Amino acid sequence: DTGVSQDPRHKITKRGQNVTFRCDPISEHNRLYWYRQTLGQGPEFLTYFQNEAQLEKSRLLSDRFSAERPKGSFSTLEIQRTEQGDSAMYLCASSDRGRGGELFFGEGSRLTVL
Amino acid sequence: AQKITQTQPGMFVQEKEAVTLDCTYDTSDPSYGLFWYKQPSSGEMIFLIYQGSYDQQNATEGRYSLNFQKARKSANLVISASQLGDSAMYFCAIGAGGTSYGKLTFGQGTILTVHP
Repeated sequence: DTGVSQDPRHKITKRGQNVTFRCDPISEHNRLYWYRQTLGQGPEFLTYFQNEAQLEKSRLLSDRFSAERPKGSFSTLEIQRTEQGDSAMYLCASSDRGRGGELFFGEGSRLTVL
Repeated sequence: AQKITQTQPGMFVQEKEAVTLDCTYDTSDPSYGLFWYKQPSSGEMIFLIYQGSYDQQNATEGRYSLNFQKARKSANLVISASQLGDSAMYFCAIGAGGTSYGKLTFGQGTILTVHP
């Protein structure tokens, strides 16, 4: 069990640029989640996948955001035409059904939009 | 819709003493789960404890216990024998039962500082 890994850990970009984050979940977990956390707040749900199917998207996920999990393994979260309000920590987590769906989080990808 | 309220922005405790972090929740789901996570300054979210809405007994995990009072819709975290390494942000979260597992709603958190 190598845990959930995210890449990159930090990304600084200029407004208007596109960015992509990658998440590798725990291999035996069929569910993968993306959350966003801004400074001083708790994480907010963005979207989740079961295998390769995206089952739900939050209304926080504007049209500029897209997430994929093409083979049911790793996932990518792309933000197009970044805005300063996109600056946040993007957290990935994976889960099986154990303990009510306990989430195993990665260390996060911190985005700063200048 | 689900909601978590954590009314204590910050808490202080002396090393080796116990501390209670408050959490109240609101949900219309008949089946749900309550979670506590710890987030140290490094940023990683660490699972601490889980309580299912139908569990008869309060959950315990080592020095952590969850004081679940269903009628009051509260799920307070009790940390016994505090250690310096317990200094961190603590989040309470709720998730619906059934097939929506893993989709959690988090509170705003409580910063715990443990003094030597």
